[in-house]
Amino acid sequence: QSALTQPPSASGSPGQSVTISCTGTSSDVGGYNYVSWYQQHPGKAPKLMIYEVSKRPSGVPDRFSGSKSGNTASLTVSGLQAEDEADYYCSSYAANNNRLFGGGTKLTVL
Amino acid sequence: EVQLLESGGGLVQPGGSLRLSCAASGFTVSTYVMSWVRQAPGKGLEWVSVIIVSGGSTYYADSVKGRFTISRDNSKNTLYLHMSSLRAEDTAVYYCAKLSNYAFDSWGQGTLVSVSS
Repeated sequence: QSALTQPPSASGSPGQSVTISCTGTSSDVGGYNYVSWYQQHPGKAPKLMIYEVSKRPSGVPDRFSGSKSGNTASLTVSGLQAEDEADYYCSSYAANNNRLFGGGTKLTVL
Repeated sequence: EVQLLESGGGLVQPGGSLRLSCAASGFTVSTYVMSWVRQAPGKGLEWVSVIIVSGGSTYYADSVKGRFTISRDNSKNTLYLHMSSLRAEDTAVYYCAKLSNYAFDSWGQGTLVSVSS
């Protein structure tokens, strides 16, 4: 049950795009299309942004998109806005009903 | 509207026990996969446990296996986490979460557990 690997930080200027990666193995990210992404502002509970690799829940702006290639999933935030500054976590279903989270990426809007 | 309200956190000595509760409203806990996720101070999210709908099978992270037990009371529409043999490294905010489409789609506000002498 090793955590998924995310870069600790990412940044971009307002209006730009930024992509955050999430690397696992063939037993989790690569083996299932059950990758999800969460946004967490300081002192708040996480919020689901993407599920099943690329699907957006109702109410999530289409500036947020997800994809996957092999054992690596990605979250792209387009048209960066100040309110996008937060911590982002990926998660994946893994074998035997386990779940894994990434270590988190702090997104800074410059 | 889906709401999850955790309670039961607090300060406990190493080796002690604690039971967390998560009262649900707006949906029925017995018809969804439910989970506990924790976050140590200043750290990332860590999956703790999950209870499946059919048959109520339970699964745990290696770090808590044998010490924590997830359960639910359908009559109270409440999820529980029984924690024993607590260690300093169990100190965290504990969130309960509802799963849908293999994602944690609703979260509670969290309850803080501090393990210290």
